[in-house]
Amino acid sequence: GDSVTQMEGPVTLSEEAFLTINCTYTATGYPSLFWYVQYPGEGLQLLLKATKADDKGSNKGFEATYRKETTSFHLEKGSVQVSDSAVYFCALTGAGSYQLTFGKGTKLSVIP
Amino acid sequence: GAGVSQSPSNKVTEKGKDVELRCDPISGHTALYWYRQSLGQGLEFLIYFQGNSAPDKSGLPSDRFSAERTGGSVSTLTIQRTQQEDSAVYLCASSASPGAVGNTIYFGEGSWLTVV
Repeated sequence: GDSVTQMEGPVTLSEEAFLTINCTYTATGYPSLFWYVQYPGEGLQLLLKATKADDKGSNKGFEATYRKETTSFHLEKGSVQVSDSAVYFCALTGAGSYQLTFGKGTKLSVIP
Repeated sequence: GAGVSQSPSNKVTEKGKDVELRCDPISGHTALYWYRQSLGQGLEFLIYFQGNSAPDKSGLPSDRFSAERTGGSVSTLTIQRTQQEDSAVYLCASSASPGAVGNTIYFGEGSWLTVV
C-alpha cells in the first residue's frame, strides 16, 4: 500500500536558518503530494501541493518539488521565522484514491 | 460555511460514558472524512463518507465507534463506553472532488477528547 516516510523530529533551528524536512513516498502510479502544517493548538492547514513530476509547490516562502525519480517531496525554506514553529506533515493521495496517507510529522521549533 | 466546523472543541468525559462529536463540512463538499490524532500514533484514518453513505469504515478501531452523515452535510462521530485510550484529537475534513488529481482535503480545528 501507499506510505510516506518523513524525517524524525524534533528539529530546532535559529531564526533565519535554512530548513529542509525530508519526505519520501511509496505509491503506485502518480500520486498527488501535499505538505500540511499544524500550528500549536490548531487543526491541519494545507501548506502546498504538487500533482505531477517536477511540479514545484510553494507558499509562504516554503517550497517542495515533486521528484518522481527519487520518490521524494522535500520541504524547504530559505529563512525560517519563529512563527514557522509547528508540526509539518507530508502526505499523499494515490492515483484515483480519495484519502490522504500521512507521514508521522516533524516538529519544528525556531528560536530567536 | 467558510471552513470545516467541529464541535465541541474540547470535551472531558468520564470513562464508560458515550460522546458525540459533530462536524459541519464546507458547503458543497460531497466527501467527508474523520481522522484521529493521538500522541505517538500520528494521524489515523477512521471513516470516509461520499454523500450520506460510508464506503470505507476500515479505520474505525472497534465497534464502540460509529458515524453517520445526514443530508449530505453534517456528520456525527459517536464513541460508546469511552476508554482512556480513546483520548485524542478527532479531526474532521471535507473535499469537493475525491479521487481527482490534486483534490485538496480541508481540515477542521479538531475536537480534543479527554477520557478520565
